[in-house]
Amino acid sequence: EVQLVESGGDLVQPGGSLRLSCAASGFTFSSFSMHWVRQAPGKGLEYVSAITGNGDNTFYANSVKGRFTISRDNSKNTLYLQMGSLRDEDMAVYYCARVGRGYDYWGQGTLVTVSS
Amino acid sequence: DVVMTQSPLSLPVTLGQPASISCRSSQSLVYSDGSTQLNWFQQRPGHSPRRLIYEVSNRDSGVPDRFSGSGSGTDFTLTISRVETEDVGVYYCIQASHWPFTFGQGTKLEI
Repeated sequence: EVQLVESGGDLVQPGGSLRLSCAASGFTFSSFSMHWVRQAPGKGLEYVSAITGNGDNTFYANSVKGRFTISRDNSKNTLYLQMGSLRDEDMAVYYCARVGRGYDYWGQGTLVTVSS
Repeated sequence: DVVMTQSPLSLPVTLGQPASISCRSSQSLVYSDGSTQLNWFQQRPGHSPRRLIYEVSNRDSGVPDRFSGSGSGTDFTLTISRVETEDVGVYYCIQASHWPFTFGQGTKLEI
């Protein structure tokens, strides 16, 4: 059974940093591109970042470029999102999602709260 | 980026009655391999999104057959043949034919 479990969400001050993790199981992790998608409170879904299966290529939404870094450790079946210079507008539930004909599996999400 | 426009944004329905949601894209979603990467997702209150339909009209495993998808090019529709209580939530269309993937605004289905 495919499982994606996010962790690392927390309360952080504006300008602060946080690292999110997504532990994957039930499939060959290195064979799939992975994305981070976020959802601000009461809002819709927004693509944040993507990484190819081997980790060689990474992509970012303009809103987070230069502040967030996506990475993966295929030996640990884990996806990461290093978030820096956090802003109020980064407050959201962050989901990791597997790419398979679009997004075929999502995690349960982890909440990032940005507030002083 | 491809703009995905859903309508309506709010959909009051009656139990047992049909419901339809429209999704239009700002450009054709036909992918380079000939497929059309248009997905439909359901997000129940307090839950993460769950894919219902991939490539316009293919139901994911475990999805009730009252859900169906149709359309082509830039115009797509999700239809629920007979709405049940468990169908309450927000429905999103997502295109994965063009980079980056983009999302509709969501349609809130309420009984």
